[in-house]
Amino acid sequence: AQTVTQSQPEMSVQEAETVTLSCTYDTSESDYYLFWYKQPPSRQMILVIRQEAYKQQNATENRFSVNFQKAAKSFSLKISDSQLGDAAMYFCAYRRGSTSGTYKYIFGTGTRLKVLA
Amino acid sequence: EAGVAQSPRYKIIEKRQSVAFWCNPISGHATLYWYQQILGQGPKLLIQFQNNGVVDDSQLPKDRFSAERLKGVDSTLKIQPAKLEDSAVYLCASSPRTTSSYEQYFGPGTRLTVT
Repeated sequence: AQTVTQSQPEMSVQEAETVTLSCTYDTSESDYYLFWYKQPPSRQMILVIRQEAYKQQNATENRFSVNFQKAAKSFSLKISDSQLGDAAMYFCAYRRGSTSGTYKYIFGTGTRLKVLA
Repeated sequence: EAGVAQSPRYKIIEKRQSVAFWCNPISGHATLYWYQQILGQGPKLLIQFQNNGVVDDSQLPKDRFSAERLKGVDSTLKIQPAKLEDSAVYLCASSPRTTSSYEQYFGPGTRLTVT
């Protein structure tokens, strides 16, 4: 069975600084997707960034980028120039590829990010 | 476009009572998910619908939880009877129709407290 592990329950970062959130996963499949979701205190979960396992290039979305190490099964999120609005719970998630029938997502336990002014 | 709608936003019930949650996905989204998020944990999938058919309900406690998605649009999740450990946020999410699409769109959730 697939698992997703986030070993950092809480992280803090100074405004304008850079922070990296860690995520490791376990799977025997070769076709899958990885995601980082953000959940602010209002609870509505939003997608931050996605990575297709078949792509070697790391995904980037503005101030957010990932370090995808497929062999090590590691998928970390880097937030550059941190802003107060980045404060939230961040969840790492795994999803099987579309050839596997169902699109079941498996989430980690989350990392609470605090941004200090 | 309108997002995923859920109601109610909050619900407090006593144990052994029944409760129902409602979800209206984004228009045209074929796939609908119900998640349970216990405080301090990540969301756990309870049930996944593709149109009005169940794709995965392996983690749904079927002795007390039930869900339906009539006409392949909105959905209800019911708990009967509720237990203290059912206290959680219940999230609904939807995904577009195409098999190549993989993004979920989440609703605001329903916070259930069982006393």
